[in-house]
Amino acid sequence: GDQVEQSPSALSLHEGTGSALRCNFTTTMRAVQWFRKNSRGSLINLFYLASGTKENGRLKSAFDSKERYSTLHIRDAQLEDSGTYFCAAEDSNYQLIWGSGTKLIIKP
Amino acid sequence: AQTIHQWPVAEIKAVGSPLSLGCTIKGKSSPNLYWYWQATGGTLQQLFYSITVGQVESVVQLNLSASRPKDDQFILSTEKLLLSHSGFYLCAWSPQVSNERLFFGHGTKLSVL
Repeated sequence: GDQVEQSPSALSLHEGTGSALRCNFTTTMRAVQWFRKNSRGSLINLFYLASGTKENGRLKSAFDSKERYSTLHIRDAQLEDSGTYFCAAEDSNYQLIWGSGTKLIIKP
Repeated sequence: AQTIHQWPVAEIKAVGSPLSLGCTIKGKSSPNLYWYWQATGGTLQQLFYSITVGQVESVVQLNLSASRPKDDQFILSTEKLLLSHSGFYLCAWSPQVSNERLFFGHGTKLSVL
């Protein structure tokens, strides 16, 4: 079965609000990355975590290997945050297992 | 259930040698198919996409070519590898109806020496 379950598949937020995306893992992962897809289809790396939390501007990510999940928090959402976000987890064989994406829409 | 298989897992090749990477999707008819490339970690650039058999669109020019000989198969290749081709290659598919969700293979790590 799927080793990475990403939720929600779609999310709509009003400007200035916040929410969280989540990836659950069916097995222990070594690390997790979060990406955002740009207008050309490229996937821009937002975070790489082997443990703990990282923050960058209005984005914050957490990874708990033992509890088998990672989150990406967005606060004070802006229109330009709209897009599709992906998590990718590194398993014990250093293979990347991807979530299937969250389409985020920010409304004025 | 749909499955995506990408091969090989890793390759070490000499400069000037040919390359062929493959990707097969099972359990889904007429998917959109994509090739991505990551040089040194960070951004995964979209190289090619295909919405149907025999049609491939290039997004980034890297002296590589792609083909879709069958509905469920996507091939990335070149006649002569360059050092700059080293990196991580990832195949993905999405449903025809929506290209927002992507389903990825495990990737191929290519080292060109």
